Amino acid sequence: DAGVIQSPRHEVTEMGQEVTLRCKPISGHDYLFWYRQTMMRGLELLIYFNNNVPIDDSGMPEDRFSAKMPNASFSTLKIQPSEPRDSAVYFCASSSRDRGGYGYTFGSGTRLTVV
Amino acid sequence: RKEVEQDPGPFNVPEGATVAFNCTYSNSASQSFFWYRQDCRKEPKLLMSVYSSGNEDGRFTAQLNRASQYISLLIRDSKLSDSATYLCVVTLASGGSYIPTFGRGTSLIVHP
Repeated sequence: DAGVIQSPRHEVTEMGQEVTLRCKPISGHDYLFWYRQTMMRGLELLIYFNNNVPIDDSGMPEDRFSAKMPNASFSTLKIQPSEPRDSAVYFCASSSRDRGGYGYTFGSGTRLTVV
Repeated sequence: RKEVEQDPGPFNVPEGATVAFNCTYSNSASQSFFWYRQDCRKEPKLLMSVYSSGNEDGRFTAQLNRASQYISLLIRDSKLSDSATYLCVVTLASGGSYIPTFGRGTSLIVHP
């Protein structure tokens, strides 16, 4: 099992540019979560999907953020246009209701810096 | 009041010490509870689930107190490698889904 795979690991971009973060969940997991982590706010849930369908996006900061899950093995989080305050580590996590305890497996994260 | 609260620490303890962390949650309907460990610049990883009857995994013991709405993590015989941030996770059922909420984490530093 390769685990949850995120790309890129690091992204440095200029303010105003579009940023796309990618995630491949663990095969067979039917839940996918996008989190953002900063020193100030900790881990914040942005959006989650169940069976590729967005269930709750109330954590998405504003319209500049969008997320898609076109199939069970791929999801994207897009920021357009990016701003310096978007700088953070973005984690993707997946889970399965069949797993005892509903534990969540995280990817290695994307460290985003907007200058 | 935050949904999940933890003392950020840091807890600075010598090797071999016993250390305990608490975590309080605000929603009494919370369903599942976990402790995660996060090393510096790494992703959070599941340490252990927390069951109502309490559970142990080697040097680690987790307890749940539903009446007082808190969970705890006890680490015995601390090792240098236990140095990390420990995140409390509480899940709440919502429309058939289980939504995890993470605490800000408690930092542990184990020194020689």
